[in-house]
Amino acid sequence: QQQVKQSPQSLIVQKGGISIINCAYENTAFDYFPWYQQFPGKGPALLIAIRPDVSEKKEGRFTISFNKSAKQFSLHIMDSQPGDSATYFCAASALGTYKYIFGTGTRLKVLA
Amino acid sequence: EAGVVQSPRYKIIEKKQPVAFWCNPISGHNTLYWYRQNLGQGPELLIRYENEEAVDDSQLPKDRFSAERLKGVDSTLKIQPAELGDSAVYLCASSFDGDSYNEQFFGPGTRLTVL
Repeated sequence: QQQVKQSPQSLIVQKGGISIINCAYENTAFDYFPWYQQFPGKGPALLIAIRPDVSEKKEGRFTISFNKSAKQFSLHIMDSQPGDSATYFCAASALGTYKYIFGTGTRLKVLA
Repeated sequence: EAGVVQSPRYKIIEKKQPVAFWCNPISGHNTLYWYRQNLGQGPELLIRYENEEAVDDSQLPKDRFSAERLKGVDSTLKIQPAELGDSAVYLCASSFDGDSYNEQFFGPGTRLTVL
C-alpha cells in the first residue's frame, strides 16, 4: 500500500514532442505528489508538485494531471527538448509524515 | 543560497571495510534525511533527523549502519563493515520544518562501490 508505481521505465521522444509519465498509488492518505528530475551524477531536484485539491497544475512546459478517484497522476512535458533528457521520479507523501515514497523512475531521452 | 553539500562524491572500498559519508544541509533546514538509491531505482529513506534527534530510523539496517547529527547541523552516515550489496548512491536531503509539505532538497550524493 506504500508503493508508488511508475511507468514507463524508459521513454524516447522526438524534439518538440510530448512526454508523458504516469504514476499510481494505493494509499489514500497521500496528499502531496512531487515530481523530481535527476541528471546523471546529480541529486534529484524538485520540478513541480501538486496537492489533491486541484486536478491540474502547470508550470511552463510541465503539467501535472491528477485523478483522485483513480489514484493516478501524470507528468506531461510539452515541446520536449534535448535538455529535458533525464530521469524523472514521481513521489507521494502524506501531510506531517515527512516521508516521500518514490516511484522507480523513468529515463527520458529527447532526440534532437 | 548554497545547496546541500555532500562528501566524498565517490568512494570505492573493499568489502568488510568501514566507510563514512558527510552531509551539510541547507542553512536553516532543521530536518535532514539520508536516502539510499540503488541503480535504476528511486531513493529510499534510511533515516530522518529533526534537529539532532533521529525521529525515523525504521529503515536503517542497524547491525551495520549508524548515523549521527550531533549539533543538529552536519550529519555523518557510517557503514561498518560494508557488504557488496551496499553499493549504491547515498543521498542527503534537507527541509525546513515550517513548510507544511516539507519540500526536500537533495545533495549530489555519494556513489559507493564495494568490491
